[in-house]
Amino acid sequence: NAGVTQTPKFRVLKTGQSMTLLCAQDMNHEYMYWYRQDPGMGLRLIHYSVGEGTTAKGEVPDGYNVSRLKKQNFLLGLESAAPSQTSVYFCASSYSDYLRTDTQYFGPGTRLTVL
Amino acid sequence: AQSVTQLDSHVSVSEGTPVLLRCNYSSSYSPSLFWYVQHPNKGLQLLLKYTSAATLVKGINGFEAEFKKSETSFHLTKPSAHMSDAAEYFCVVSDRSGNTPLVFGKGTRLSVIA
Repeated sequence: NAGVTQTPKFRVLKTGQSMTLLCAQDMNHEYMYWYRQDPGMGLRLIHYSVGEGTTAKGEVPDGYNVSRLKKQNFLLGLESAAPSQTSVYFCASSYSDYLRTDTQYFGPGTRLTVL
Repeated sequence: AQSVTQLDSHVSVSEGTPVLLRCNYSSSYSPSLFWYVQHPNKGLQLLLKYTSAATLVKGINGFEAEFKKSETSFHLTKPSAHMSDAAEYFCVVSDRSGNTPLVFGKGTRLSVIA
């Protein structure tokens, strides 16, 4: 039982390049989330998904796209990377999100630098 | 709207002394409240959560927190700090309306001195 895994762990991009971050969970969770963490800012929600085939915008969705083609996977895409997207990205999952009480389980993070 | 304020960005304690990390919240609805811990270069892990049951919540590794509605606080405490407690701690609030995501505080870095 690996929990939540993220690929890659580190990445350096040049401005304008594109990339996809992969999140996978083996807990059969319905809900999945992408956050970014910046120094002194806590975590901010980028996009989330309430089930296979669904996605929704979070607090800071601009410049990112997501897809949830399979229940266990949640992909975060950057179509044209910008230096402002330099951050640590965390994926999380939860069994449900009923009344926002369920525990979220986090992956180890992806450290992205955009030059 | 909901918000959370962690009153200290950095707390330093000696090993074996008590830990207090302070969190105040604002919520339009009856909230759920969480404390997560993040060790260096790791993801976040749930320490404890309050979801309208007992106001004193016990978590892992000897941590506990008390929900005080009158003070809109959810402070995290531990009687005796251990070196392994050194980490970043996040207070998180949910208004339980289902309409807004979780709101994370900016974090408190706990240092434990030998």
